[in-house]
Amino acid sequence: EAAVTQSPRNKVAVTGGKVTLSCNQTNNHNNMYWYRQDTGHGLRLIHYSYGAGSTEKGDIPDGYKASRPSQENFSLILELATPSQTSVYFCASGDPGQGDQAPLFGEGTRLSVL
Amino acid sequence: AQSVTQPDARVTVSEGASLQLRCKYSYSATPYLFWYVQYPRQGLQLLLKYYSGDPVVQGVNGFEAEFSKSNSSFHLRKASVHWSDSAVYFCAVSPLTGANTGKLTFGHGTILRVHP
Repeated sequence: EAAVTQSPRNKVAVTGGKVTLSCNQTNNHNNMYWYRQDTGHGLRLIHYSYGAGSTEKGDIPDGYKASRPSQENFSLILELATPSQTSVYFCASGDPGQGDQAPLFGEGTRLSVL
Repeated sequence: AQSVTQPDARVTVSEGASLQLRCKYSYSATPYLFWYVQYPRQGLQLLLKYYSGDPVVQGVNGFEAEFSKSNSSFHLRKASVHWSDSAVYFCAVSPLTGANTGKLTFGHGTILRVHP
């Protein structure tokens, strides 16, 4: 069954600390995405990837890095976490090149930066 | 640039009533349109998607949406809602072709509350 798994599901971090959010997909999709969800903003795209070794900036990349070491894994990295990065983060995978335009989403990671 | 507007932040209806959630999009080319639903503490689940053909598209769980090119709209409907439909509903748009296919732009969402 197609799945996108995020870890951790909940994270509390300190300001200035490093945070890594992980995402794994078993769908063999080429594309993966990181979004954040905030009240009043819906979901906004942070980074995305077209395949292993590829990362691209989305609409709000400042303060975030991404890493795609393999087809299955896509990480979001906050080198110096700030309270403004408190949010719910969603990973998604999709394969528009194969006609699968609708990304499949993970369950989300709730991050609090204190 | 593409954008999506969901003008109703919150909608409250009684169980068994009909429902319409509004979505207006702005995009210069042919869009790929989506509706997703988010239940509490869960990820987004696809309800339906559309890019061509019959402007009324059927989705899961009795939902349907109607595309209107002239109005740049993609409204979601359900004939009779159930209390379990209470959730947040997101409309989204993506380019149909090109390098940015699959990159969705979301509306802010509509919180639906169904009174039992």
